Amino acid sequence: ILNVEQSPQSLHVQEGDSTNFTCSFPSSNFYALHWYRWETAKSPEALFVMTLNGDEKKKGRISATLNTKEGYSYLYIKGSQPEDSATYLCAFGGGGGADGLTFGKGTHLIIQP
Amino acid sequence: GAGVSQSPRYKVAKRGQDVALRCDPISGHVSLFWYQQALGQGPEFLTYFQNEAQLDKSGLPSDRFFAERPEGSVSTLKIQRTQQEDSAVYLCASSLGLTSISGQETQYFGPGTRLLVL
Repeated sequence: ILNVEQSPQSLHVQEGDSTNFTCSFPSSNFYALHWYRWETAKSPEALFVMTLNGDEKKKGRISATLNTKEGYSYLYIKGSQPEDSATYLCAFGGGGGADGLTFGKGTHLIIQP
Repeated sequence: GAGVSQSPRYKVAKRGQDVALRCDPISGHVSLFWYQQALGQGPEFLTYFQNEAQLDKSGLPSDRFFAERPEGSVSTLKIQRTQQEDSAVYLCASSLGLTSISGQETQYFGPGTRLLVL
């Protein structure tokens, strides 16, 4: 059974502050690490797909890094805004015949004005 | 363009009732996935289609769960004789299907169907 862990489970951040959270995953049979943002009553939105050790991706104020050797990824949000409030999910895309993604439980982020 | 759509958005069923959940993927997407998200958990993989072929159904929790995609586009997830433990959000996702390693492609999700079994 694959274990994808996210921490913290929830996070309250003041508007304008920067924040980050962690996803840890198995370092074997690695093919890709995905990050999604899921706002209430909406569809999960794809943020990044990362496949190579050392990958860094950026989208506006959000960025992510990947370390496949030690099995972790960080998601960073710079200058948090109220619209960043959402659940952030990471998902492990593995090989060995696994067709679906294995998700963590998510980090629930609340931005306080 | 249009994203992935799912219907109904909400479904309340009495225990023992059969339900059918529909997914309309992005046009032209070869791969289609179903996930189940129980309260407080992350989404869990149920099944995977490549066009009309169901290539992986290892995540279906019991033989009460059945999925089909007969023409390689719209998919239906059917749950027979629903139980309270089936209460969850059911998510559908599609991807282009250009690579043999499906885990490397971005999956585009619908808004989900929230099923409550009483």
